[in-house]
Amino acid sequence: AQSVTQLDSHVSVSEGTPVLLRCNYSSSYSPSLFWYVQHPNKGLQLLLKYTSAATLVKGINGFEAEFKKSETSFHLTKPSAHMSDAAEYFCVVSDLSNAGNMLTFGGGTRLMVKP
Amino acid sequence: EAGVVQSPRYKIIEKKQPVAFWCNPISGHNTLYWYRQNLGQGPELLIRYENEEAVDDSQLPKDRFSAERLKGVDSTLKIQPAELGDSAVYLCASSSDREGRNIQYFGAGTRLSVL
Repeated sequence: AQSVTQLDSHVSVSEGTPVLLRCNYSSSYSPSLFWYVQHPNKGLQLLLKYTSAATLVKGINGFEAEFKKSETSFHLTKPSAHMSDAAEYFCVVSDLSNAGNMLTFGGGTRLMVKP
Repeated sequence: EAGVVQSPRYKIIEKKQPVAFWCNPISGHNTLYWYRQNLGQGPELLIRYENEEAVDDSQLPKDRFSAERLKGVDSTLKIQPAELGDSAVYLCASSSDREGRNIQYFGAGTRLSVL
């Protein structure tokens, strides 16, 4: 079985300061991990993915995430927040425990960016 | 390349009325998914199609929900009759075997409000 816990439902930062969105996962197999972003009234957009290659993954818009197996974590970071980063972020896990590579979403973290 | 297209974007109906959602996946994507996203939560899978065959519908409430994917391209999801608890965003996604099923592309969703 697989599951994802996003530790913060809301995160507020000032523009230009670092962003940290926390995610812990549980998986019976070697997982694939993803971060998606959802802007208001828009579809989910893939930010980045980890699929057992380099543990530090770089994504779009300056975001990156580090896979830490010992901590079962996959936190999302960005050095400097922009106003346009305000959105809902979802951490997602997928493993081989099901034939369909089903995606299991976390509950989401709403990122607010203050001017 | 066009993304996943869903319509309508918004739908408001009274309870006990029927409603249908339409999805056109990315061209060449053989796997299609319907998700439901309740307010403040991550999406949850309702049904997955491989071409025209529904291969995972275990989370679809079959007493009132139905789906079809004739010819293995477009898909419709229907609710009849709708209940107040069906208010949610219904997301469609698609994936290709070439990229892998866990790389899913999402549409903007249909926001359903049942009054």
